[in-house]
Amino acid sequence: SQTIHQWPATLVQPVGSPLSLECTVEGTSNPNLYWYRQAAGRGLQLLFYSVGIGQISSEVPQNLSASRPQDRQFILSSKKLLLSDSGFYLCAWSKTGAFTDTQYFGPGTRLTVL
Amino acid sequence: AQKITQTQPGMFVQEKEAVTLDCTYDTSDPSYGLFWYKQPSSGEMIFLIYQGSYDQQNATEGRYSLNFQKARKSANLVISASQLGDSAMYFCAMRVSNFGNEKLTFGTGTRLTIIP
Repeated sequence: SQTIHQWPATLVQPVGSPLSLECTVEGTSNPNLYWYRQAAGRGLQLLFYSVGIGQISSEVPQNLSASRPQDRQFILSSKKLLLSDSGFYLCAWSKTGAFTDTQYFGPGTRLTVL
Repeated sequence: AQKITQTQPGMFVQEKEAVTLDCTYDTSDPSYGLFWYKQPSSGEMIFLIYQGSYDQQNATEGRYSLNFQKARKSANLVISASQLGDSAMYFCAMRVSNFGNEKLTFGTGTRLTIIP
């Protein structure tokens, strides 16, 4: 069966500090990978998705970036965090990009920028 | 552009009763998928049920069923015999068939509270 991991689970960072969130998937190969952000009390917003190693598509322009150095590893980064970057970050995977494919989510990282 | 509307910010339901969570959607794409997720206080998004735009029958998954009315563009989630563990946020989401349009579009969610 497939498993998706995210770390860290929680993170408190000062404004202007760098960020690195990691997501890994087990039990599948060549998955589509996604980073979403959820602001407090709201739905999810897609930030980035990847259909393969080194292939990243951005949905929302911001000071965040994503990378996929390995097939089942997806990293979300920032060089300098803003207060507005606070939120709950969820990684997800699906088998393909088809509209019939379910996206399965990891446990999430709760980021607080102070 | 796609849009999901969930008009019930919060609901309180007595344990063991059935509950219907409303979801309406808007898209011009004839091919789409509709998904429901549960988000307990721990934060993880748990997939519940899927309905495809071409599916002839309403989807069912244990105590969950989806009341799909295509002409009305609605995809309501029905939970039968509610349990205390059903207390959570519930999100309706949609995905369309456009190549390169990978995202799930989410509604704002409904907070369901089951009362003992």
